[in-house]
Amino acid sequence: RKEVEQDPGPFNVPEGATVAFNCTYSNSASQSFFWYRQDCRKEPKLLMSVYSSGNEDGRFTAQLNRASQYISLLIRDSKLSDSATYLCVGDNYGQNFVFGPGTRLSVLP
Amino acid sequence: EPEVTQTPSHQVTQMGQEVILRCVPISNHLYFYWYRQILGQKVEFLVSFYNNEISEKSEIFDDQFSVERPDGSNFTLKIRSTKLEDSAMYFCASSPTGSNQPQHFGDGTRLSIL
Repeated sequence: RKEVEQDPGPFNVPEGATVAFNCTYSNSASQSFFWYRQDCRKEPKLLMSVYSSGNEDGRFTAQLNRASQYISLLIRDSKLSDSATYLCVGDNYGQNFVFGPGTRLSVLP
Repeated sequence: EPEVTQTPSHQVTQMGQEVILRCVPISNHLYFYWYRQILGQKVEFLVSFYNNEISEKSEIFDDQFSVERPDGSNFTLKIRSTKLEDSAMYFCASSPTGSNQPQHFGDGTRLSIL
């Protein structure tokens, strides 16, 4: 069974803090990985794709380590609006997505 | 920015009744998906659809479920005889070319079975 695992949290951090989330996946054949964010009772929204070389989008940095089957997301200078659940997602032989259970982040004033 | 749209936003149905959930994927996308999320649980894959046929389905997608693309824009999920455990959020998603591409999600249909 192909799984994506995440620490469910919650992570409670003050505004301006740096926070890191980790994710592991069991399907070594997975090719593509993404981070989505999900607000309460809303749809998953794409945050960023994850590449082996690592990629950055503003305050967000994602990293993929294929040897360890490990993905990370770093959020710098966190804002109140970053409060959400962060979903780690891997593809299943390119056919569909396997979602992790999500990590809940609360950024506190 | 183009969006995936879903209707209705909330559907309340008696157990045993049929429901049809509707989705309009992004117009130039070729791959379509249905996922569900039971309250408090993770998002689970149901089915993918390409070139007018199912390309993959999960073990959740049993004979009670079917999908259809009745015209050039709509993509529907039918549940033939609903059960209490079908209560969930159902998300439709689409992607331009399938593998290696992000999927774009609609805002979901909340299905409540009484």
